[in-house]
Amino acid sequence: DVKVTQSSRYLVKRTGEKVFLECVQDMDHENMFWYRQDPGLGLRLIYFSYDVKMKEKGDIPEGYSVSREKKERFSLILESASTNQTSMYLCASGTGGYNEQFFGPGTRLTVL
Amino acid sequence: RKEVEQDPGPFNVPEGATVAFNCTYSNSASQSFFWYRQDCRKEPKLLMSVYSSGNEDGRFTAQLNRASQYISLLIRDSKLSDSATYLCVGHDTGRRALTFGSGTRLQVQP
Repeated sequence: DVKVTQSSRYLVKRTGEKVFLECVQDMDHENMFWYRQDPGLGLRLIYFSYDVKMKEKGDIPEGYSVSREKKERFSLILESASTNQTSMYLCASGTGGYNEQFFGPGTRLTVL
Repeated sequence: RKEVEQDPGPFNVPEGATVAFNCTYSNSASQSFFWYRQDCRKEPKLLMSVYSSGNEDGRFTAQLNRASQYISLLIRDSKLSDSATYLCVGHDTGRRALTFGSGTRLQVQP
């Protein structure tokens, strides 16, 4: 079974803090993705990576950065958290853009 | 305009009913389509892929109409366990990532 794990299920941070969200997959997938999910807006792609050290902006990259130093790990960084970044963050991995993506359980981030 | 649009619902149907969802897409370059299912407070999981000829998997049938740019999902003989949010997803060849609709919520009632 493919497994995608995320470092925290729930996280509470203060405005201005630097936040790291970690994602690890165990299926040797080339592609990894970070989404945020908000009511009425669905899943929106923040960043994705198709290889180690490679990254591409998604639809809403502003205020975020990513790091992929190893194939199995993809980190999302909020350099200075703001209240409008309160959301559910979902990581996914897959073998190709048109193939199945496997999601982690999500991290619900609250920024106060 | 969103690239993939869905009626958010909720669709409230009795057990045993047949229910259909539609999804429209605006990017004519989209080549592949999928339906994902997301249970409450859970992550999305692939339900089925949708190809040009459509496909069927048990009680679920997915169809693609390229001329009108819509995808449909038909669920026959609804079960309580079908209650979930169904996400319509598209992929175009010029982009490595998928585009998700905001989902249609289905509530099957006893």
